[in-house]
Amino acid sequence: EVQLVQSGAEMKKAGESLRISCQGSGYNFASYWIAWVRQTPGGGLEWMGRIDPDDSYTNYSPSFQGHVTISADKSITTAYLHWSSLRASDTAIYYCVSPKKGLDGEAFHYWGQGALVTVSS
Amino acid sequence: QSALTQPASVSGSPGQSITISCTGTRSDVGTYHYVSWYQQHPGKAPKLIIFEVSKRPSGVSNRFSGSKSGNTASLTISGLQAGDEADYFCSSYTGRNTLFVFGTGTKVTVL
Repeated sequence: EVQLVQSGAEMKKAGESLRISCQGSGYNFASYWIAWVRQTPGGGLEWMGRIDPDDSYTNYSPSFQGHVTISADKSITTAYLHWSSLRASDTAIYYCVSPKKGLDGEAFHYWGQGALVTVSS
Repeated sequence: QSALTQPASVSGSPGQSITISCTGTRSDVGTYHYVSWYQQHPGKAPKLIIFEVSKRPSGVSNRFSGSKSGNTASLTISGLQAGDEADYFCSSYTGRNTLFVFGTGTKVTVL
């Protein structure tokens, strides 16, 4: 069974750094890209970027480029989303997602349980 | 990259059929066959119910069906059930810097 298990909820202050994680199991982790999706308090979903765990090649949405860093360690089948300086507007639920075939354009078949990040100003 | 446009809410009675639209542009929905739909119940992660416009993942009811015409994709739920009450989001591959764009979301209410 494919599973994406994320780290827990976080409460931080603006300006602090944070790294959240997503561990994959039940499949060949290095064969399928992992992306991060943000769900805002208003409920909207936004694609942030993705990584190929095999070679750590990344794509970022321009809306998030430079503000977050996506990385992965295939030896422990884990992907990460990192902020060096959080903003109050980063308050949201963050999901890691993965396709079933790893093809470009493939849908998000698998979702982590989500991690709530709350940033106070 | 702007979000795809969905109606804010759609409602129907049990047993009825409803359709949710998802309007994009020639740069996303109009060009690519990679349109997907997600169902999200309160407090839960979204779940894939349609991919590549009209394909259903294993285990998803055949009451859910998808289609596309031009720049607009549609999700139809037939034989509406109480358990279908949820938020629904569409998504499309764009092939541009923002590789995927989501719809604004539609709240489905079963009367």
